[in-house]
Amino acid sequence: DAKTTQPPSMDCAEGRAANLPCNHSTISGNEYVYWYRQIHSQGPQYIIHGLKNNETNEMASLIITEDRKSSTLILPHATLRDTAVYYCIVMVGKKSSGDKLTFGTGTRLAVRP
Amino acid sequence: DAGVIQSPRHEVTEMGQEVTLRCKPISGHNSLFWYRQTMMRGLELLIYFNNNVPIDDSGMPEDRFSAKMPNASFSTLKIQPSEPRDSAVYFCASSLGVWELFFGEGSRLTVL
Repeated sequence: DAKTTQPPSMDCAEGRAANLPCNHSTISGNEYVYWYRQIHSQGPQYIIHGLKNNETNEMASLIITEDRKSSTLILPHATLRDTAVYYCIVMVGKKSSGDKLTFGTGTRLAVRP
Repeated sequence: DAGVIQSPRHEVTEMGQEVTLRCKPISGHNSLFWYRQTMMRGLELLIYFNNNVPIDDSGMPEDRFSAKMPNASFSTLKIQPSEPRDSAVYFCASSLGVWELFFGEGSRLTVL
């Protein structure tokens, strides 16, 4: 799997958009970008994933650059409940015997009142 | 749906004792994962099952750890004998075919 690089921490004001970057310059053509988050004392939570097109769901938007070497997770109106560690992970889309979902150190997002 | 159910939520035991953690995946999911989280090492994948069959157990720390999935609705992670360095939060997760994992609330283990 391609390695990802994320800033260790970020903050944003409540109600503003939170833009979390992720670099994955060695991503392969068949690898997806997945985002998870972990709120304190809870299990990780799946947010969104994409291959090359931008994706949006009820939680967030995912913007992937045209060369696919980086992406940005956007929380459009951050709330205090969005304070969490956000993980960017690159995976082949379908499971195969050699794949594992491996969490790095992520970005610790603090949403300020 | 009740989500992934783990038990116990908290366990305190003494070194040398056997510990059994339990997990009930979401009904219909065909993959189950056991992760461990510590401050020092973060989230580590211990083992995962596909259709009740262990696919990758390379993350299991040593022979003291074992995991079973006797049927599609139940899995156990056993540590025997337990050691203080096994203290961690153990998460179980399940998924259906893809990498959208649903995690339980975790079992916090303290070995004295």
